Amino acid sequence: EPEVTQTPSHQVTQMGQEVILRCVPISNHLYFYWYRQILGQKVEFLVSFYNNEISEKSEIFDDQFSVERPDGSNFTLKIRSTKLEDSAMYFCASSEEGVRADFGSGTRLTVV
Amino acid sequence: AQTVTQSQPEMSVQEAETVTLSCTYDTSENNYYLFWYKQPPSRQMILVIRQEAYKQQNATENRFSVNFQKAAKSFSLKISDSQLGDTAMYFCAFTFYNQGGKLIFGQGTELSVKP
Repeated sequence: EPEVTQTPSHQVTQMGQEVILRCVPISNHLYFYWYRQILGQKVEFLVSFYNNEISEKSEIFDDQFSVERPDGSNFTLKIRSTKLEDSAMYFCASSEEGVRADFGSGTRLTVV
Repeated sequence: AQTVTQSQPEMSVQEAETVTLSCTYDTSENNYYLFWYKQPPSRQMILVIRQEAYKQQNATENRFSVNFQKAAKSFSLKISDSQLGDTAMYFCAFTFYNQGGKLIFGQGTELSVKP
């Protein structure tokens, strides 16, 4: 069964450094998302992406964040200058029709 | 603003027993979808079951079923014949119809299935 793939599974970065989280959505899916889950808390929406542009973003998704679909298969989340509070699990998800979302297994980001 | 509330932070159940997890939501819209996602210790998010708001019939997937009460804005998950592998965090989630699929999650209920 096709699945959403995220790399790396765990990333440790120094505060202030840039980090790129990578995702390969399911190939025939058209809608792409990033979510964040701070340890012990609920999953929070960051951004949705459709037709090569951001369709919606949350207040968390400020100027430090950006997303890109550089080719036909990858979908990336960049955090420009990481802060301690960016430490979280980041989930990529994709959807064929914009309803049911399939999630990747997440990237655990630790900012030190 | 749309919100999803799970009032049970933790629950436990004996293996083979039945357990019900509660979820309420708040929206003024009429067309939406509701979901239950399971997050085991691996932290993967796995879709358990989905309900379209326009359908009166409650969704069922094997041992998992929902009790959808649209007027009460309630969406509970019933797990029958609980298995040890059901131990996980369960999240209730909501998305609007035809608005791109952004999910709004509840705080989660941690379910432990005891042998």
